[in-house]
Amino acid sequence: GENVEQHPSTLSVQEGDSAVIKCTYSDSASNYFPWYKQELGKGPQLIIDIRSNVGEKKDQRIAVTLNKTAKHFSLHITETQPEDSAVYFCAATSNQAGTALIFGKGTTLSVSS
Amino acid sequence: DSGVTQTPKHLITATGQRVTLRCSPRSGDLSVYWYQQSLDQGLQFLIQYYNGEERAKGNILERFSAQQFPDLHSELNLSSLELGDSALYFCASSVGGSGGASGELFFGEGSRLTVL
Repeated sequence: GENVEQHPSTLSVQEGDSAVIKCTYSDSASNYFPWYKQELGKGPQLIIDIRSNVGEKKDQRIAVTLNKTAKHFSLHITETQPEDSAVYFCAATSNQAGTALIFGKGTTLSVSS
Repeated sequence: DSGVTQTPKHLITATGQRVTLRCSPRSGDLSVYWYQQSLDQGLQFLIQYYNGEERAKGNILERFSAQQFPDLHSELNLSSLELGDSALYFCASSVGGSGGASGELFFGEGSRLTVL
């Protein structure tokens, strides 16, 4: 089955800096790679996703890149703000029967002002 | 508000006991997923149901079982509880059934289980 590794586990940046979180996956059949943000006391919420036919996707201050050959994908947050502080999860899945969204262990991002 | 409702929010029980966690998906969503979140293991996939049928299974213990009812709500039953079962249990829902590849998963706020 799919296995997703995520690094780093914690990341501290100054407000205005960029933050990068990296993930690798094991199943070459995976074709959907979402990122979820979990704020304290809440459930995870989708912030951006990318499919295997796309190499990069941007949405305002966040961007994701995907390298299918190397089986890794990354989340980039620019101009970080204190409200970006949260736990971020990467995930991967395919649309094959019997598969489900498999998450990395999460990155706790702290943005200090 | 994701539209996914989980009850109870908090539950404290003793080892060896049995508990039931309940989830109501967003209106119109046919899939329900259960995830276990612990400090060192992140979000672990347990099981998925789609329109009443089991669709995918993760590392769910034999002591745990789930079902999805005709009204699409789901219940996760945890029995013979052990200290290590203490965790936050999340339910999520989606419109499609292809393990999340067909669209966004909407998570509830979780049920925190403490086993003493």
